[in-house]
Amino acid sequence: ETGVTQTPRHLVMGMTNKKSLKCEQHLGHNAMYWYKQSAKKPLELMFVYNFKEQTENNSVPSRFSPECPNSSHLFLHLHTLQPEDSALYLCASSQDQRVTFSGANVLTFGAGSRLTVL
Amino acid sequence: GENVEQHPSTLSVQEGDSAVIKCTYSDSASNYFPWYKQELGKRPQLIIDIRSNVGEKKDQRIAVTLNKTAKHFSLHITETQPEDSAVYFCAPRGAGNTPLVFGKGTRLSVIA
Repeated sequence: ETGVTQTPRHLVMGMTNKKSLKCEQHLGHNAMYWYKQSAKKPLELMFVYNFKEQTENNSVPSRFSPECPNSSHLFLHLHTLQPEDSALYLCASSQDQRVTFSGANVLTFGAGSRLTVL
Repeated sequence: GENVEQHPSTLSVQEGDSAVIKCTYSDSASNYFPWYKQELGKRPQLIIDIRSNVGEKKDQRIAVTLNKTAKHFSLHITETQPEDSAVYFCAPRGAGNTPLVFGKGTRLSVIA
């Protein structure tokens, strides 16, 4: 384990379901990220939170809704997804989003949640 | 936003040979240049990074070189081993607080 834990590891859902992905880190990091990994776009940034505030939304459809209640937890709420949303969703954290000192921007990734939308 | 290109997209080398992967970027204000490695079925992990005030950095068999004028940086792996087989991603950091934007990856296969 790297210190970033994602649950569930696998999820199958229908297009009308509502589900959530969870990410947890106890590394003392202040920035958390959601990335989507698919064959078409290997590591596509979705959202960034820095000190619990959303700082990036990379034009993600509203059927994906992030939530960051504190610096240690990040959720991705899923609703009315499409089959093309099937992918590996990777959570990552870093000490800080800013490149202010050595190592601050290094990303530690979780193992990912493999999502299949039927 | 930052436009990132990686070349080649796939690379096969014989064990013991060297491998070079190049990453070009568009934002001349970029100041942080990491390389991540993702083995099959595993998560991406940082293997080496360099900042804009340094031209080259080496860590055992891997090295990164930076050409800020031409806006590209390269990953060099010497004496390749089968465990080097993976997908490698560059992720140059643009200006300000912009997050890392990953390239499309290079799949390296080291043939024993």
